[in-house]
Amino acid sequence: AQKVTQAQTEISVVEKEDVTLDCVYETRDTTYYLFWYKQPPSGELVFLIRRNSFDEQNEISGRYSWNFQKSTSSFNFTITASQVVDSAVYFCATLSGGSYIPTFGRGTSLIVHP
Amino acid sequence: NAGVTQTPKFRVLKTGQSMTLLCAQDMNHEYMYWYRQDPGMGLRLIHYSVGEGTTAKGEVPDGYNVSRLKKQNFLLGLESAAPSQTSVYFCASRRRAGVGTGTDTQYFGPGTRLTVL
Repeated sequence: AQKVTQAQTEISVVEKEDVTLDCVYETRDTTYYLFWYKQPPSGELVFLIRRNSFDEQNEISGRYSWNFQKSTSSFNFTITASQVVDSAVYFCATLSGGSYIPTFGRGTSLIVHP
Repeated sequence: NAGVTQTPKFRVLKTGQSMTLLCAQDMNHEYMYWYRQDPGMGLRLIHYSVGEGTTAKGEVPDGYNVSRLKKQNFLLGLESAAPSQTSVYFCASRRRAGVGTGTDTQYFGPGTRLTVL
């Protein structure tokens, strides 16, 4: 069985602060995939990144970066110099290779104050 | 590509009424899913389909039925709506992994906000 824990229910920061959203996953499979989604106040779910279990390279995309560490079963998401537009709920998810159903965390609500 | 679309965007029902939510995708994806999202509960899977003509139960299937008569469409039905079904419903689709290509990403529709009075 898979499990995703996003221990931070809500994070509040002031604009331009850096913020890290934690994601800890559990899986018995050697082949699996990790995802992050963003849900802004408008409500849609926007895909941000996918990582497979064989690729532990960190990824940077503009102000966003992701740190995948198999040793700690974590796939953390950092926003550098946060902006008000980053305010959203962020979901982490995992999917085992060959499985039909992803497992989502409960989400972390990020509030960026001007 | 329109991606994943959902109809309607909003709906208000009275207890006991029935309705069907339509999900359509134009990406030729094999897998389709229906989720509901409630405050503090994250996303919960209602039903899913791994191909045309096949459906399976998810985590919270009671009170819902689904059909996948065409590959591009996945319908979610509420036979007799209850206030507990007030929620935001999301449809999603995903391509079946090919040999050597790993899995693919699940893409979501914009959601349907349903209120049952």
